[in-house]
Amino acid sequence: QVQLVQSGAEVRKPGASVKVSCKASGYTFTSYDINWVRQASGQGLEWMGWMNPNSGKTDYAQKFQGRVTNSRNVSINTAYMELSSLTSEDTAVYYCARSVSTDLDYWGQGTLVTVSS
Amino acid sequence: QSALTQPASVSGSPGQSITISCTGTSSDIGGYDSVSWYQHHPGKAPKLFIYEVSNRPSGVSTRFSGSKSVNTASLTISGLRAEDESEYYCSSYTRGGTVFGGGTKLTVL
Repeated sequence: QVQLVQSGAEVRKPGASVKVSCKASGYTFTSYDINWVRQASGQGLEWMGWMNPNSGKTDYAQKFQGRVTNSRNVSINTAYMELSSLTSEDTAVYYCARSVSTDLDYWGQGTLVTVSS
Repeated sequence: QSALTQPASVSGSPGQSITISCTGTSSDIGGYDSVSWYQHHPGKAPKLFIYEVSNRPSGVSTRFSGSKSVNTASLTISGLRAEDESEYYCSSYTRGGTVFGGGTKLTVL
């Protein structure tokens, strides 16, 4: 069965970076894009960007351009999302999700990132 | 990318039907047949309920249906059940990526 398993919760200080991993299983990793979506407490879902694991091609929401980097390690079927220059407004649950076209059909369990001094 | 507009909350009694609207522009909903709907229970991963405006993934009840008119998409849930109580999000493709709605809290009375 398709599974996306994310890394555990992280705590960072303002100005630091965080890298969240998303390990895929149950399907051919390079055949589907991986998206990253976040949800701050009390807020809605917010799309951050996507990556094609086959080509490595990425695209990011304008809001995160220059601050987010999606990458992958095909040998271990794992995608990564790194967010830099963190502020308290980046405190959120971060999800990876597989996409068919633009439909996010399988999601990871979420990773809580807390930014606090 | 401005968020799509959804009502903050809707409610209905068991057995009734409700509709959640999702309003965008010609640059997103109106320009593409790439509207999706997700159910999101707090603390859990969102689940895809509708894709490409009106298609249901395998395993999703036929009580859930989607449609679109010009720049507004809609999710209709018929025969409301207690387990339908959740947060629902629409999303659409737009140049530059994907945009979500603000979410609608469905309460089953």
